[in-house]
Parts: sequence; structure tokens; C-alpha cells
Amino acid sequence: ETGVTQTPRHLVMGMTNKKSLKCEQHLGHNAMYWYKQSAKKPLELMFVYSLEERVENNSVPSRFSPECPNSSHLFLHLHTLQPEDSALYLCASSQSRSWQGSSGYTFGSGTRLTVV
Amino acid sequence: SQELEQSPQSLIVQEGKNLTINCTSSKTLYGLYWYKQKYGEGLIFLMMLQKGGEEKSHEKITAKLDEKKQQSSLHITASQPSHAGIYLCGAGNTGNQFYFGTGTSLTVIP
Repeated sequence: ETGVTQTPRHLVMGMTNKKSLKCEQHLGHNAMYWYKQSAKKPLELMFVYSLEERVENNSVPSRFSPECPNSSHLFLHLHTLQPEDSALYLCASSQSRSWQGSSGYTFGSGTRLTVV
Repeated sequence: SQELEQSPQSLIVQEGKNLTINCTSSKTLYGLYWYKQKYGEGLIFLMMLQKGGEEKSHEKITAKLDEKKQQSSLHITASQPSHAGIYLCGAGNTGNQFYFGTGTSLTVIP
């Protein structure tokens, strides 16, 4: 256990479904991140929240909608996804928005998403 | 943007063999992190290097950052099946941006 918990671990959804991914951290970190990991591609940063405010949105399609209700919780709402959105979605947190620190980011175990 | 190239992309070794994974950047690395990822799971922090020439070890894994701070290597001595997984390097720049390498998949055959 890293201190960052993601649920569910696996999700299969149809293209017309609406689902949400959840991330929770109790490390006292102030920044949280959503990453997408596809086969044979580097990790892609999707969203960054710092002190519950979205500070970065890397040209992510609007069918992905993040929500950060407090510093411990982060959601990724999914709507009308495409098969190419199938990937491992990783949540991470860090002490501050700056990457610098003894261990950088702390990652959750990820949600394996399959869009059918 | 900063790109981190890892080599090799994949590696299959016999248990007990030594191996090295490289992470190369075209720009100066201001903080170089090594992570390990078990297949389908999250990333686990291994080590962080900041100074040119720095070397750190943890159990049988040693990471080095070259003097020019543009290349890092991860060396595993006497590999074991528990070392199998994907190894990723990550680095920050002078701003708040953090980049990950392309990853190296390691298989250790018992």
C-alpha cells in the first residue's frame, strides 16, 4: 500500500455509459494528478490539481471530467468514451505542485479501463 | 518539452545475471527518479538522484547519474524473479513539469 488508493481496480464500460474513477490519499499531500498509461507509450499527464484547484489540463477530451472536492479525494468522470480510451489510469499525489521532493510522486495501483 | 529515452525497451535475463537499464535526456536532468511498476499496477518509487556523478544503492539495485546530468543508469546485480516488471525513469525541469521515460520491461527467467 502506497497511501494512494484507487477504485475500482478494473472497469469495463460501454461507449454510452457514464462511470467515475475514484482516488483517495491520506498522506497530507496538496497536489493530485491523473495519468493515462497506454501500451508502449510514456505516461501521459491528464490533469493536475493543487490545493483543490485545477492547475493543468493537458488537452484532454471533454469526455473526461475531473473533480477534486477536497485535498484527499480526486475523481475522474467518464462519459461516452471511445475504445481508444482503454488504458490504465493512474492517480498520483505529491507534497506540493513542485515535483521536487524525496520521493516525487506517490502513485495508486491504477484502474484498468476497457471500453467496449 | 523534455523527452526521456530508455534502453533497452525490453529485457529478458536468466535469474542470477546482472543487467543495466539506461535513461537518456537531450536536456539537463534536474532530478532523476527511478520507479518500478508491476504489470498492471501503480509505480513504486525506487531512488532519486540530483547531483552529477551521484550514485545510490538499495539492496541489489544501483542507480547512477552521469557528471553531465543527461544520462542515468539502473543496474541490478544477481537478478531475481522479484525484480521483474517495468522500470521507468522520470525527471523534472526547471519549471513544475515532470516527464516519464518510455519504460523498460524486465523479465527474469528462473
